[in-house]
Amino acid sequence: QKEVEQDPGPLSVPEGAIVSLNCTYSNSAFQYFMWYRQYSRKGPELLMYTYSSGNKEDGRFTAQVDKSSKYISLFIRDSQPSDSATYLCAIGDAGGTSYGKLTFGQGTILTVHP
Amino acid sequence: DVKVTQSSRYLVKRTGEKVFLECVQDMDHENMFWYRQDPGLGLRLIYFSYDVKMKEKGDIPEGYSVSREKKERFSLILESASTSQTSMYLCASTGSGVSGGGVEQFFGPGTRLTVL
Repeated sequence: QKEVEQDPGPLSVPEGAIVSLNCTYSNSAFQYFMWYRQYSRKGPELLMYTYSSGNKEDGRFTAQVDKSSKYISLFIRDSQPSDSATYLCAIGDAGGTSYGKLTFGQGTILTVHP
Repeated sequence: DVKVTQSSRYLVKRTGEKVFLECVQDMDHENMFWYRQDPGLGLRLIYFSYDVKMKEKGDIPEGYSVSREKKERFSLILESASTSQTSMYLCASTGSGVSGGGVEQFFGPGTRLTVL
């Protein structure tokens, strides 16, 4: 079983839709939770991160973490064509020997069509 | 503006060739990483380095080696390239943050390697 599982999609939605992207993880030692966005032919860029269970909002984006269920989600409200990208969840352990290592999900390819 | 650069965007090599991929970061970060990215498999860690001349294997180190002679530069070496190593290669770096581990990894633009 992979440490982090993410539905690879692809996901295609109309402009204005609410998008839900999800990951599950198995290691209880994971302490911080991140979402990266990767446009075509570019490297991933950090979109959001959080350390705790609950919701964190940033504009149209909401990151949700449920540590008891080992489940994280990213919601995109009022999706735009410019949101079309691959979204990767990434989870890390802040322990002293972690050296900032992250475990990534498989990535979900999202297309928002006008 | 923070930056991670990779030596080539596209590379075509022949089976059996020795291949060098270079990564340079200008953020004075301690930790650097090499990943490969394949459809449906996400990012898989090949090797990482937490200091000059220090390295540790990631999840898929077979067929690869690395070198870190200077803090800002981390090289990935394919000793004898094979067609199975055709992939997108991404370099990343992060500093030492909370409890010795960084938070955000900064990525380079990637190198698309094709081995014929």
